[in-house]
Amino acid sequence: QEKVQQSPESLIVPEGAMSSLNCTFSNSASQSIWWYQQHPGKGPEALISIFSNGNKKEGRLTVYLNRASLHVSLHIRDSQPSDSAVYLCAVISSGSWQLIFGSGTQLTVMP
Amino acid sequence: ETAVFQTPNYHVTQVGNEVSFNCKQTLGHDTMYWYKQDSKKLLKIMFSYNNKQLIVNETVPRRFSPQSSDKAHLNLRIKSVEPEDSAVYLCASSQWTGQDTQYFGPGTRLLVL
Repeated sequence: QEKVQQSPESLIVPEGAMSSLNCTFSNSASQSIWWYQQHPGKGPEALISIFSNGNKKEGRLTVYLNRASLHVSLHIRDSQPSDSAVYLCAVISSGSWQLIFGSGTQLTVMP
Repeated sequence: ETAVFQTPNYHVTQVGNEVSFNCKQTLGHDTMYWYKQDSKKLLKIMFSYNNKQLIVNETVPRRFSPQSSDKAHLNLRIKSVEPEDSAVYLCASSQWTGQDTQYFGPGTRLLVL
């Protein structure tokens, strides 16, 4: 069974700073890796996904994937208080094509 | 704009009762899912349903069963709830399985006393 681990569990940054979140997965043959954002009382919302080694940028978000080290990171430039939420990393299992989630990073951006 | 709708928002019940949660998606997607989210925010897939093909996570107890009337609806029934069933149940949909974006509903919070 694919495993996904996230760090840190909790991250507090000041407004305007860069937020950096990490995720490791257990199978280099995993398909896409996804980042979801979840606000309290809401369902997760997909932010960005990556399949190939390297980086992908969308607005203030940048994702880096290194399949050899089984590591993916999400960086949020110019963090805003509205970015405060739980960020979930998820990988598509190569066997079942199902999303396997990590337990999340709670990001708090202080005004 | 919410495109995956879940009812109820919150449900309190007692051990041994039967409960049913509803999910409807208006995105025209072909695949729907049920997830369980525990108190530590860990999401685990329970079921996925596509073109009348059901894929069940082998760890899901038999008292859980999905029910679908058409591709826009996938309900979840729990036959005889137990305390460990207390969690948030999230419904999602995607165009196909695999690489497509999954869209989640707001969840149903279940508390079993």
